[in-house]
Amino acid sequence: KAGVTQTPRYLIKTRGQQVTLSCSPISGHRSVSWYQQTPGQGLQFLFEYFSETQRNKGNFPGRFSGRQFSNSRSEMNVSTLELGDSALYLCASNTGTGVDEQFFGPGTRLTVL
Amino acid sequence: SQQGEEDPQALSIQEGENATMNCSYKTSINNLQWYRQNSGRGLVHLILIRSNEREKHSGRLRVTLDTSKKSSSLLITASRAADTASYFCATAPTDSWGKLQFGAGTQVVVTP
Repeated sequence: KAGVTQTPRYLIKTRGQQVTLSCSPISGHRSVSWYQQTPGQGLQFLFEYFSETQRNKGNFPGRFSGRQFSNSRSEMNVSTLELGDSALYLCASNTGTGVDEQFFGPGTRLTVL
Repeated sequence: SQQGEEDPQALSIQEGENATMNCSYKTSINNLQWYRQNSGRGLVHLILIRSNEREKHSGRLRVTLDTSKKSSSLLITASRAADTASYFCATAPTDSWGKLQFGAGTQVVVTP
């Protein structure tokens, strides 16, 4: 079974721009969660989508949004980028029917200049 | 905000030695999980222990959970250089699906 894939792997943007990150979960998994990892704040939960609906949300401003498609692929969008948005963005997939392990992708490294 | 606090923040040991790291958390949990991360890459799931379990083994890993103290420990026996990584505990709250709350992590360096 193929693992979780994320594209792109690296991204450089400037302040004020917007960015879209993509995540393809493991086949059959219906839940996709997004996390932001920074040296200062560590790993923080952004949101979780299950069957195209946002089921959980973390404490991030509205500039961070996401969506999930019918094939369970998910995208995350960050608008009006700030320097502090520079981070490793990780997505994780899960069957969504139990509180079990999550399978993480390799991450997208976003640098905001 | 992060749920867990991990101790120590960093650990340096030699191959063959055991490595122990601890995690404390604050709220009621469904389970507690341990993950490994190599050099800013994706997280790899190591082991999951449910709230009604006290100890679990997987290969060279041993995890304990004390829900009365809201704490867990991860023991890696007979460490290898390949175990060099950051280790994170993550809790799955009872009221949330698909939402893990991570600790700050323990950076482990195993020297040959």
